[in-house]
Amino acid sequence: DAKTTQPNSMESNEEEPVHLPCNHSTISGTDYIHWYRQLPSQGPEYVIHGLTSNVNNRMASLAIAEDRKSSTLILHRATLRDAAVYYCILRPYNTNAGKSTFGDGTTLTVKP
Amino acid sequence: GAVVSQHPSRVICKSGTSVKIECRSLDFQATTMFWYRQFPKQSLMLMATSNEGSKATYEQGVEKDKFLINHASLTLSTLTVTSAHPEDSSFYICSASPAGTNEKLFFGSGTQLSVL
Repeated sequence: DAKTTQPNSMESNEEEPVHLPCNHSTISGTDYIHWYRQLPSQGPEYVIHGLTSNVNNRMASLAIAEDRKSSTLILHRATLRDAAVYYCILRPYNTNAGKSTFGDGTTLTVKP
Repeated sequence: GAVVSQHPSRVICKSGTSVKIECRSLDFQATTMFWYRQFPKQSLMLMATSNEGSKATYEQGVEKDKFLINHASLTLSTLTVTSAHPEDSSFYICSASPAGTNEKLFFGSGTQLSVL
């Protein structure tokens, strides 16, 4: 009963931007939107998170819809090292104890 | 940055034996840690929430007597797979975030368990 839905897979060409969508129509007002990515045989790695406003960091940008029912992770210039499974999850605000359910994620393939 | 260390990275054991996996937060205190298992080509499945100084909270369908969790300190949680069987073979991952924040989760590098 994942709270987020994502496309199973996406492809991109190297050096091109990638937009990874995530739907979270049942998001509550106290949920943060988090993105993680996972390489084979490794634990997930944090990418970015936000609440309402768009966010930028050195890895990516996060665009959050005004109604917060969807968001988009933007990789500005995909590299081969960005090939991974990307997970969008919701985490409760103001607590480190809130559990999060992972959906199936999006497998990103980057073509040279 | 914050780091979560998980050991061992890989373990092979015989059916019927028990295996302990450690998860340590190296530079922050974690009152709560999470344990997941992941089968090939599948997503992470939350098994339990490990609470420092109290009993773990298990997800529905996860046998607490099979997967023993101990969170004896603010930096260490252990998962023991008791009487392991081949169907317990999986990739186990722990995660934690610094206490008192709503910050990002930090994940261990995972443990590949193979039960012969």
